[in-house]
Amino acid sequence: SQTIHQWPATLVQPVGSPLSLECTVEGTSNPNLYWYRQAAGRGLQLLFYSVGIGQISSEVPQNLSASRPQDRQFILSSKKLLLSDSGFYLCAVQWQSSYNSPLHFGNGTRLTVT
Amino acid sequence: AQKVTQAQTEISVVEKEDVTLDCVYETRDTTYYLFWYKQPPSGELVFLIRRNSFDEQNEISGRYSWNFQKSTSSFNFTITASQVVDSAVYFCALLTNNAGNMLTFGGGTRLMVKP
Repeated sequence: SQTIHQWPATLVQPVGSPLSLECTVEGTSNPNLYWYRQAAGRGLQLLFYSVGIGQISSEVPQNLSASRPQDRQFILSSKKLLLSDSGFYLCAVQWQSSYNSPLHFGNGTRLTVT
Repeated sequence: AQKVTQAQTEISVVEKEDVTLDCVYETRDTTYYLFWYKQPPSGELVFLIRRNSFDEQNEISGRYSWNFQKSTSSFNFTITASQVVDSAVYFCALLTNNAGNMLTFGGGTRLMVKP
């Protein structure tokens, strides 16, 4: 079956500390993977997407980075967190690699930077 | 440029009432796709429906129905006989042929269904 694993579910980190959020998917090969952020309001902001191993597209310049070391693994990182990085981070996958197939989201990580 | 507007930020209804969530989109592309997602209090976004620009047939799925009107650039979502479990934030989203992999989301509508 197709599943999305995203962890941790919640995270509290001090300003200036590093960050690593991981997303892995099962049940498909070569999926399109995405990282979205939802700030205190409700808007969803696309941060990164990847159509293959080592292929990362960034939509918003910031102190975050993403990597895709394996076909079904997508990692969101930061070397030094800012207060403004607080939010709800969602990994998403297109089970079919066509650009118009629906995105399916993981359960999210709620990050609080203190 | 693509844009999705959900003018209703919050709607409150009493259980069993019907409710319609509005979605208006803007695009110059002739090929595009519209989506609705539900975000319950637990946080994950749940895919509800995808509609392409060439299919204006309305869709019904149980208590949910969608009305796609190209003439008014709208893709409205109606919940019939609402239930408390329908309480969530609902997002409308647009994907166009020329936007690559970038899905444009509306700001969301928070629906509260009271018992």
